[in-house]
Amino acid sequence: DAKTTQPPSMDCAEGRAANLPCNHSTISGNEYVYWYRQIHSQGPQYIIHGLKNNETNEMASLIITEDRKSSTLILPHATLRDTAVYYCIVRTSYNAGNMLTFGGGTRLMVKP
Amino acid sequence: DVKVTQSSRYLVKRTGEKVFLECVQDMDHENMFWYRQDPGLGLRLIYFSYDVKMKEKGDIPEGYSVSREKKERFSLILESASTNQTSMYLCASSFGVSNEQFFGPGTRLTVL
Repeated sequence: DAKTTQPPSMDCAEGRAANLPCNHSTISGNEYVYWYRQIHSQGPQYIIHGLKNNETNEMASLIITEDRKSSTLILPHATLRDTAVYYCIVRTSYNAGNMLTFGGGTRLMVKP
Repeated sequence: DVKVTQSSRYLVKRTGEKVFLECVQDMDHENMFWYRQDPGLGLRLIYFSYDVKMKEKGDIPEGYSVSREKKERFSLILESASTNQTSMYLCASSFGVSNEQFFGPGTRLTVL
């Protein structure tokens, strides 16, 4: 699986959009970009994933650059409850074990 | 909603004890996973199971074993607990080849 690079921490004002970047310059053609988050003292939570087109769901939007070497997770109106560590993962849609490997992630702090 | 439950949120055991961590999911998922999460090391896969009575080693299986006698239940066993197994243990499940994994709340195990 391709390695990802994320900033260790970010701040965002409540009600504003939070834009979380992820670099994955070694991504291969059959690898998807996945985002999970982990709120303190809870298990990780799936947010969104995509291959090359931008994706949107009720939680967030995912913007993937045309060369697919980077992506941005957008929380359009961040709330205090969005304070969490956000993990960007790049992997094929299916592989043996279907396992996840999280790196350090970005610690997002939403401030009032 | 998918629900993944773990038997304990906090557990304290002594070195050498046999420890059982239980995980139950209620959505008939084929795949189940056990991870441990440690500061600075991210999420690491211990074992996974893609069917009843089937198991595969993950990245760090040493010192652990698992049991999956029923589809909804996946148990992690520490045969002889050691202090370096002090960690947060997370169980997850997923359906088919989907990479959307649903996590339990985690068990924080301390081995003294």
